[in-house]
Amino acid sequence: NAGVMQNPRHLVRRRGQEARLRCSPMKGHSHVYWYRQLPEEGLKFMVYLQKENIIDESGMPKERFSAEFPKEGPSILRIQQVVRGDSAAYFCASSPLTSNYEQFFGPGTRLTVL
Amino acid sequence: AQSVTQLDSQVPVFEEAPVELRCNYSSSVSVYLFWYVQYPNQGLQLLLKYLSGSTLVESINGFEAEFNKSQTSFHLRKPSVHISDTAEYFCAVKRSSGSARQLTFGSGTQLTVLP
Repeated sequence: NAGVMQNPRHLVRRRGQEARLRCSPMKGHSHVYWYRQLPEEGLKFMVYLQKENIIDESGMPKERFSAEFPKEGPSILRIQQVVRGDSAAYFCASSPLTSNYEQFFGPGTRLTVL
Repeated sequence: AQSVTQLDSQVPVFEEAPVELRCNYSSSVSVYLFWYVQYPNQGLQLLLKYLSGSTLVESINGFEAEFNKSQTSFHLRKPSVHISDTAEYFCAVKRSSGSARQLTFGSGTQLTVLP
């Protein structure tokens, strides 16, 4: 049973470009979470999604950031018009419907904005 | 809202020595508590968790943590560390009731085991 997959592992963008980060949850998991880890900091919650629904986006910046988890395919975190401050590691986690606490993390995507 | 404080950002320790990584939390509601470990360029792995019951929880690789409700702490300990324990350790909490599922993390403690 493959773990949570994220791609790309490393992404370099110039200021103003768009970044698309993908997350495939573990098989059978219907919940996806995105977290951001800035240098020297812990992970900060961004958004929680179920298939085709955003459940909680209280941690998402109000502009330029969006997330989706379509019926088919991976979850996507999209950052438009990236700025240097968006440089961070973005982690995806997934959990099954039946678990209220357990989250399994992917290896992360390290975004560098030049 | 919940918050987590990890007082020590860096902890160097010699191999086979004991170690304690401190974690304090603040919450107006009851929470579950977790320790995660992150090896370089990898994702987080769950090390151990406290949900209910015995306040002392153990991992398979010799770590243990004790939930202290009065001191709102969940310190991580190991009696004898190995070089392979070098990693970043994150303490996290989650509300134990309600629909909110997100984890709130501390800023992490880098444990470096020296030969």
